[in-house]
Amino acid sequence: QVRLQESGPGLVRPSQTLSLICSVSRASIDNGGSYWSWIRQYPGKGLEWIGCIYYSGRTHYNPSLKSRVTISRDTSENQFSLRLNSMTAADTAVYFCAGSGSYLSYWGQGSLVTVSS
Amino acid sequence: DIQMTQSPSSLSASVGDRVTITCQASQDISNYLNWYQQKPGKAPKVLIYDGSNLETGVPLRFSGSGSGTHFTLTITSLQPEDIATYYCQQYDDLLSYTFGQGTRLEIK
Repeated sequence: QVRLQESGPGLVRPSQTLSLICSVSRASIDNGGSYWSWIRQYPGKGLEWIGCIYYSGRTHYNPSLKSRVTISRDTSENQFSLRLNSMTAADTAVYFCAGSGSYLSYWGQGSLVTVSS
Repeated sequence: DIQMTQSPSSLSASVGDRVTITCQASQDISNYLNWYQQKPGKAPKVLIYDGSNLETGVPLRFSGSGSGTHFTLTITSLQPEDIATYYCQQYDDLLSYTFGQGTRLEIK
């Protein structure tokens, strides 16, 4: 069974940059046809797709966040990462990493990120 | 941008009931529509992909239908373990995803 695990800080100061890592096991992030996404969920509310990195290394972002987001990968570690800059309280959410193709078969357990001074 | 509108936003039903949740797309998305179930404190889990295909291991009481702009998720006989929030999700050729706002399902 493919497993994903998010890691990173639970607390980020306003205006700072969030950095999260997703470690993937039992699947290779550069395996053809695989896509790896970051998704966030506001407290008690719905889901927002942030962006993804393809198996080729190409990235694709939500237009509403594109100016603040960078998704990258480390194939030697089989990890992909999220950087979201200029954080505000409105970015407080549970951040999930997820993977597969046109539908998201695999999910991490989620990482709560709170933006507060 | 494509908008996904789910209805109802919440639903209360009895064990054994037939339950239907709808999802409307703001434009034609063919069958590029998936359904997820999310239980409290857990990540979403895919139930239906590409409009009507049942994910492996998902009980047969779940089904999906529709194409174009109108889609439905049906639970033929509601079970207590089906209590969750359900989301539709559309995707495009670049694998941008948009989720519906969710339907919270409770037992009456």
